[in-house]
Amino acid sequence: ETGVTQSPTHLIKTRGQQVTLRCSSQSGHNTVSWYQQALGQGPQFIFQYYREEENGRGNFPPRFSGLQFPNYSSELNVNALELDDSALYLCASSRYSGNYGYTFGSGTRLTVV
Amino acid sequence: EDQVTQSPEALRLQEGESSSLNCSYTVSGLRGLFWYRQDPGKGPEFLFTLYSAGEEKEKERLKATLTKKESFLHITAPKPEDSATYLCVVGGGADGLTFGKGTHLIIQP
Repeated sequence: ETGVTQSPTHLIKTRGQQVTLRCSSQSGHNTVSWYQQALGQGPQFIFQYYREEENGRGNFPPRFSGLQFPNYSSELNVNALELDDSALYLCASSRYSGNYGYTFGSGTRLTVV
Repeated sequence: EDQVTQSPEALRLQEGESSSLNCSYTVSGLRGLFWYRQDPGKGPEFLFTLYSAGEEKEKERLKATLTKKESFLHITAPKPEDSATYLCVVGGGADGLTFGKGTHLIIQP
């Protein structure tokens, strides 16, 4: 059983640029959600994708967007990067109900300079 | 809005010294309470799911319990490899998960 894989592991971008982060979900999981974790804080919910559509969103602006593909993998896109976007971005996959738990990837560390 | 408060923020124990971590939560409807372990720079690693008051789960030196307002993670005779941040989490589904800030646990040999 494969786990959740995220790429890249580290990334440095300049303020104002755009970035795309990628996530492959665990085998048997059909739902992907993304979280932002600032240093010393718990992860914050960005959004969730199910059946290739966003079906839930946290308190993040529209410049945070995503995609889910037919194989359940996903992308997180962030436009017009700001310094405060520097964080660990985590992807989690689950079955739709989430009752069997969520499997997290190791994250992408994004630094905006 | 779901809320999770964990205490203490940090805890330093000697190897073999048992203790408990606390999680207080407020939810509109409990879909599940999860405990995760997170090592520095890594993603959270699933430990337990609890669904109803009175439920208990155990794994090696860890035991999680649940009441209507709190959950406790008991650690018995901890070892240095148990050092990590332990996250209490509620929610799920389209509303996403709500995390506490975590308890940073250090076990000294």
